[in-house]
Amino acid sequence: EAGVAQSPRYKIIEKRQSVAFWCNPISGHATLYWYQQILGQGPKLLIQFQNNGVVDDSQLPKDRFSAERLKGVDSTLKIQPAKLEDSAVYLCASSGGVGANTDTQYFGPGTRLTVL
Amino acid sequence: AQTVTQSQPEMSVQEAETVTLSCTYDTSESDYYLFWYKQPPSRQMILVIRQEAYKQQNATENRFSVNFQKAAKSFSLKISDSQLGDAAMYFCAYRSRNSGNTPLVFGKGTRLSVIA
Repeated sequence: EAGVAQSPRYKIIEKRQSVAFWCNPISGHATLYWYQQILGQGPKLLIQFQNNGVVDDSQLPKDRFSAERLKGVDSTLKIQPAKLEDSAVYLCASSGGVGANTDTQYFGPGTRLTVL
Repeated sequence: AQTVTQSQPEMSVQEAETVTLSCTYDTSESDYYLFWYKQPPSRQMILVIRQEAYKQQNATENRFSVNFQKAAKSFSLKISDSQLGDAAMYFCAYRSRNSGNTPLVFGKGTRLSVIA
């Protein structure tokens, strides 16, 4: 079974530029999460999708961050314009398979964003 | 809101020895999951072990086991026969079980070093 895929792995931009991250969850997983992990901290939820609908985006800075999940599969997370404090690793996770681990979240390799 | 606390920013262990990582959490819920995730330098978050709160028996996975004390809200991870490949950041995480798939709440992590 293929894992959660993310791209790019690394991105360096200057402040006020825009950037987009892509995530492809595990096949059949209905729930998709985007987490932000600032250096030295644990990941924090930005947004959660159930199929193509948003379940929780209360922690998403909506003035600069946006996300979508077209057709309930792939998802993109966009930042426009970026600020220095957005430098972090952006992790995508999915859950919702069948069997005993239906509620376990599986993570992708993350995208490390550096804003200069 | 739920919180997860890992009071040990860094730990070290000799190869083949045993180490215990601590985690406490705060919640008013009675039904939830607890997880330990491992994050090596590659950044991929890997599930180590999970515990359902309604189960009294402590979870075990090969060399990894937990000591779950529900009343004390404590969830420690024991790694036996430590190996060099165990070196990583370890995150304790909480997930509510109340309604569908809910996001993980992470602690700040413990960096484990394994000394050859």
